[in-house]
Amino acid sequence: DQQVKQNSPSLSVQEGRISILNCDYTNSMFDYFLWYKKYPAEGPTFLISISSIKDKNEDGRFTVFLNKSAKHLSLHIVPSQPGDSAVYFCAASYYAGNNRKLIWGLGTSLGVNP
Amino acid sequence: DVKVTQSSRYLVKRTGEKVFLECVQDMDHENMFWYRQDPGLGLRLIYFSYDVKMKEKGDIPEGYSVSREKKERFSLILESASTNQTSMYLCASSFGGARARDYEQYFGPGTRLTVT
Repeated sequence: DQQVKQNSPSLSVQEGRISILNCDYTNSMFDYFLWYKKYPAEGPTFLISISSIKDKNEDGRFTVFLNKSAKHLSLHIVPSQPGDSAVYFCAASYYAGNNRKLIWGLGTSLGVNP
Repeated sequence: DVKVTQSSRYLVKRTGEKVFLECVQDMDHENMFWYRQDPGLGLRLIYFSYDVKMKEKGDIPEGYSVSREKKERFSLILESASTNQTSMYLCASSFGGARARDYEQYFGPGTRLTVT
């Protein structure tokens, strides 16, 4: 059973508009949530994270919102640029014993059209 | 800057061959991971290691083994490659021991393995 779900496999947005990528989770033990970006034939790169005690974290054009009661987070990209076209993975982290586990969503492929 | 390197970007092997994929990180990270990525299936964890000579199975360990003889190096071994192991293989590392930002994993560039 998937603990981290990205229900939209793909998303298409016009350049300059807002991109909103969504992620739902089921495990209340998660204490950090992360977004990674992946271009084809490259490894994922860390984009932004948020602690479970926060509801918003912002870094330039990227903002992540966390709604704990709904077990939902979203990544907003404003304004979207063609270079943002990539697969975006949502991931959630928790401690299992002395070590951290990272649980991944299946990814959302974002296309930004010029 | 954290650097995770993988021995090959592209690899073509025949069915039944033994395949070694090597990963090296230069940040003195305790934890290392091997994933495979397939379209529509996201990142699936094959094996991970929290310390030298330690290994634990991930979600899809069948057909794979690993070796971690030195802290900086983590090897993935396909004992007898099969066509269903054609995939993108990604290595990652992270801090361990409840350190700051220990939740963040750093990835290598990936190895695109094709088994014919």
